Amino acid sequence: QKEVEQNSGPLSVPEGAIASLNCTYSDRGSQSFFWYRQYSGKSPELIMFIYSNGDKEDGRFTAQLNKASQYVSLLIRDSQPSDSATYLCAQRNFNKFYFGSGTKLNVKP
Amino acid sequence: DAGVIQSPRHEVTEMGQEVTLRCKPISGHDYLFWYRQTMMRGLELLIYFNNNVPIDDSGMPEDRFSAKMPNASFSTLKIQPSEPRDSAVYFCASSPRGVAVFQETQYFGPGTRLLVL
Repeated sequence: QKEVEQNSGPLSVPEGAIASLNCTYSDRGSQSFFWYRQYSGKSPELIMFIYSNGDKEDGRFTAQLNKASQYVSLLIRDSQPSDSATYLCAQRNFNKFYFGSGTKLNVKP
Repeated sequence: DAGVIQSPRHEVTEMGQEVTLRCKPISGHDYLFWYRQTMMRGLELLIYFNNNVPIDDSGMPEDRFSAKMPNASFSTLKIQPSEPRDSAVYFCASSPRGVAVFQETQYFGPGTRLLVL
């Protein structure tokens, strides 16, 4: 069983703060990891992916991967109310994606 | 590109009826995935195709579910007979085949919201 675990939240942060979303996975054979954002009633949309240990930055978003600890995180700097959504972590093993249940983020104005 | 197209967007049916969901992947994408999303179970992979061939259907919950991909631009997911516990959002997603495949992501359609009464 390839499991991806996320805290369901909700995680509440004030506008302008850093939001930190975390994800752990059980399958050491996973090749890459993805963060998706899903607004209520909408489909998941890709934020970023990472496959090497360390940090990867894209605008206000930073993904962090630690394969030894089987841990992936997403940092959102300068959080905005428009960032309020559910964030899904996914691991890719060959052609299959395994999704976590998602963390709901609320950014308060 | 229009993205992944799904139809219908909403479906309300009665228990025992046949339901057919449709998907048109992004042109040129070799992989097509069907997912089901519920509050209780999250996003679950049902089946995926590569070049129109079903590769892994281990996520299909029961024999009542079947999926086909007769050509590169069309796929269906059928539930017959439908039951109330099938109520969920069904997403279709497609993915290209890149040189570094593990870097390729999936692009989701808008989903079909199914309610079985």
